[in-house]
Amino acid sequence: DAMVIQNPRYQVTQFGKPVTLSCSQTLNHNVMYWYQQKSSQAPKLLFHYYDKDFNNEADTPDNFQSRRPNTSFCFLDIRSPGLGDAAMYLCATSSPMIRQNNEQFFGPGTRLTVL
Amino acid sequence: RKEVEQDPGPFNVPEGATVAFNCTYSNSASQSFFWYRQDCRKEPKLLMSVYSSGNEDGRFTAQLNRASQYISLLIRDSKLSDSATYLCVVSRMDSSYKLIFGSGTRLLVRP
Repeated sequence: DAMVIQNPRYQVTQFGKPVTLSCSQTLNHNVMYWYQQKSSQAPKLLFHYYDKDFNNEADTPDNFQSRRPNTSFCFLDIRSPGLGDAAMYLCATSSPMIRQNNEQFFGPGTRLTVL
Repeated sequence: RKEVEQDPGPFNVPEGATVAFNCTYSNSASQSFFWYRQDCRKEPKLLMSVYSSGNEDGRFTAQLNRASQYISLLIRDSKLSDSATYLCVVSRMDSSYKLIFGSGTRLLVRP
């Protein structure tokens, strides 16, 4: 019954070593989002895909990239993780044209540790 | 000023208590409003949408005051399982399908 799946749930990487986080969905939603959430803070939107169109937030560092090869999958690439990138990374989906209230559905998150 | 502001709490209440959370938002053009619940180290989950007329779901009542740009959540007869962080969420001005999250209000319900 899982609808938004994230792998891995926990990721440990070394300072500067590239890492890829993955997200998949069974909802067939056309919008997929990546958020970064640090302890006791609000989820911060990094970027999103509306169908194949990539939309970067103005304050998202270049160190963060994303790929969406098809409707179901979306990846977050961190090219050179720094200690400040340690956080929970949340993937979410929505279907604005169908669900008029713009509800977003979240995956369980990937907790990233940078050593 | 943050776009969505909430009292971080924590609110520490006994079981059975009634507790109210408030939230203010800065963008008068926001069209969608929500309360999400987030358990410790878990993902946010939708608790309820918030409508202008106010809405109720069991022990939970949400209200929206567009004129004051204010949203509230009332929890009656608190349960231990209500302990969580409650996130106030509004849609963004530049795109209604993008959301802005508040930092959350932490609720602790004690026996």
